[in-house]
Amino acid sequence: KAGVTQTPRYLIKTRGQQVTLSCSPISGHRSVSWYQQTPGQGLQFLFEYFSETQRNKGNFPGRFSGRQFSNSRSEMNVSTLELGDSALYLCASSLEGPEAFFGQGTRLTVV
Amino acid sequence: SQQGEEDPQALSIQEGENATMNCSYKTSINNLQWYRQNSGRGLVHLILIRSNEREKHSGRLRVTLDTSKKSSSLLITASRAADTASYFCATRTGGSYIPTFGRGTSLIVHP
Repeated sequence: KAGVTQTPRYLIKTRGQQVTLSCSPISGHRSVSWYQQTPGQGLQFLFEYFSETQRNKGNFPGRFSGRQFSNSRSEMNVSTLELGDSALYLCASSLEGPEAFFGQGTRLTVV
Repeated sequence: SQQGEEDPQALSIQEGENATMNCSYKTSINNLQWYRQNSGRGLVHLILIRSNEREKHSGRLRVTLDTSKKSSSLLITASRAADTASYFCATRTGGSYIPTFGRGTSLIVHP
């Protein structure tokens, strides 16, 4: 069974640009969550989607958005990038149980 | 804000020794999970302990939970160099599906 796949693995963007990250969950998993990981703040929850609906949202500005498609694949978008958005973005899928399965992450560097 | 906080922040031991990490949390939980993260990669679920359990084992891992003290510990016995990673505790509270992570303990096992 394929794991959670995140693309791209690495990304370099310029301040002010926007970026879209992709996450393909494990087959059959309908819940997809996104996290931002930085050395200073640790793992911060961004949002969770379930069956194409945003079910939970963390405390991030409106520049961070996401969506989920009917095949459960999810994308997150960050507009007007700031230097502080440089981070490892992690996606996790789950089968409604407590265990979350994480992808390898997308390392975003904003210059 | 972090619900769980791991202690110590960093731990350095020799191969063959035991490693103990602690996690303290603030509010009542449904369950507590431990995850491992190898450098710059995704998190891997290690073990889950429910609020009505006191101890759980999985291979070389032993997790305890003390709900009266709002704390948990992860013991890795006979550590190996491959155990070098960051270890996170994650808690779920109330009806939330979202695990909240601590900042992690960085474990280095010297061969």
